Amino acid sequence: AQTVTQSQPEMSVQEAETVTLSCTYDTSESDYYLFWYKQPPSRQMILVIRQEAYKQQNATENRFSVNFQKAAKSFSLKISDSQLGDAAMYFCAYRTGAQKLVFGQGTRLTINP
Amino acid sequence: GAVVSQHPSRVICKSGTSVKIECRSLDFQATTMFWYRQFPKQSLMLMATSNEGSKATYEQGVEKDKFLINHASLTLSTLTVTSAHPEDSSFYICSASLVGGRVEQFFGPGTRLTVL
Repeated sequence: AQTVTQSQPEMSVQEAETVTLSCTYDTSESDYYLFWYKQPPSRQMILVIRQEAYKQQNATENRFSVNFQKAAKSFSLKISDSQLGDAAMYFCAYRTGAQKLVFGQGTRLTINP
Repeated sequence: GAVVSQHPSRVICKSGTSVKIECRSLDFQATTMFWYRQFPKQSLMLMATSNEGSKATYEQGVEKDKFLINHASLTLSTLTVTSAHPEDSSFYICSASLVGGRVEQFFGPGTRLTVL
């Protein structure tokens, strides 16, 4: 079974600085999708970014980018120019072939003004 | 686009009663809907997967007779917690994936269930 591990329960960063959240996963599949979701205090899950495993190029969405290392099964999220609105729980997720999402334990990100 | 709603957002019930939670895709048709449970300060755990017109597939350890799921149409799935007990108190979240479309799931805002 696939597993997703986020080893940082909490992270903090100064406003306007850059922070990287770590995620590793385990799978025997060769083709899959990875996601980062954000859950603010409202608890609404919001998609931040996605990565197709067959693409070597790292995904980027404005201030958010990933470092996808397929051989190492690593999928980290980099947030540049951190803003107060980025404060939230961040979940890394793996999409299985059966369309199920397997989530990591989450990282609580605090932005210090 | 791709908005998912849940109703109610909060519900409080007495032990032994049943509670129904609705999940609707408002502007798209959903082939598949998913139900998750989230305990405080924890991650989302998949409970079951439902496809329109067929029986739901439950994850290991989830009681199908306790958590009844019905996916009656391409825009509506319901989760009924039967004979609820305090340990069923939790945050329940649904998500939906598009018919023949994108791979990401779109999430509802969640329902907080409190069983007294």
